[in-house]
Amino acid sequence: DQQVKQNSPSLSVQEGRISILNCDYTNSMFDYFLWYKKYPAEGPTFLISISSIKDKNEDGRFTVFLNKSAKHLSLHIVPSQPGDSAVYFCAAKSGRTGNQFYFGTGTSLTVIP
Amino acid sequence: DVKVTQSSRYLVKRTGEKVFLECVQDMDHENMFWYRQDPGLGLRLIYFSYDVKMKEKGDIPEGYSVSREKKERFSLILESASTNQTSMYLCASSSQGNTEAFFGQGTRLTVV
Repeated sequence: DQQVKQNSPSLSVQEGRISILNCDYTNSMFDYFLWYKKYPAEGPTFLISISSIKDKNEDGRFTVFLNKSAKHLSLHIVPSQPGDSAVYFCAAKSGRTGNQFYFGTGTSLTVIP
Repeated sequence: DVKVTQSSRYLVKRTGEKVFLECVQDMDHENMFWYRQDPGLGLRLIYFSYDVKMKEKGDIPEGYSVSREKKERFSLILESASTNQTSMYLCASSSQGNTEAFFGQGTRLTVV
């Protein structure tokens, strides 16, 4: 059963506009959330994370928002650039249930120049 | 910088062969993971290990085994490769606690 879900397989955005990628989770024990970016034929690279004690974390053009009551998080990229075109994976983990990371199915972002 | 290195970028193997995928990390991480990535299915956990000689099954362990004889090395073994094991295989490592996992560059395995 998929505990982390990314319901949008793909997203297209114009360069300079905002990209919003969404992620939902079902396990209320998750207390740490991460976003990874993956280019074809490469391994995923860590982008940004957020602990469940926060509702927002920002790093340059990337901001992650966490809504615990809705079990929802989102990644905002502003402004979007063509180099942001990649597959983005949402992941979650819980210190209480061990060190396993649970990944979503990914959203393929295309930023159109 | 943390480095996770997978032994091969591309592999082509025949059905029925025994296949070894090797992964080495240089940050003294306790945890190591093997995932496979398939279109529309995301990253699925095959096995993970939280200590030397320790292993835990992930979501899709069937047809695979693992070995962790040293802390820095985690091997994935396909006992008898089949065409449905054609995939991108990704190794990752992490330390204890709430930190990120670091991934290797991936191995694209094709079983013919």
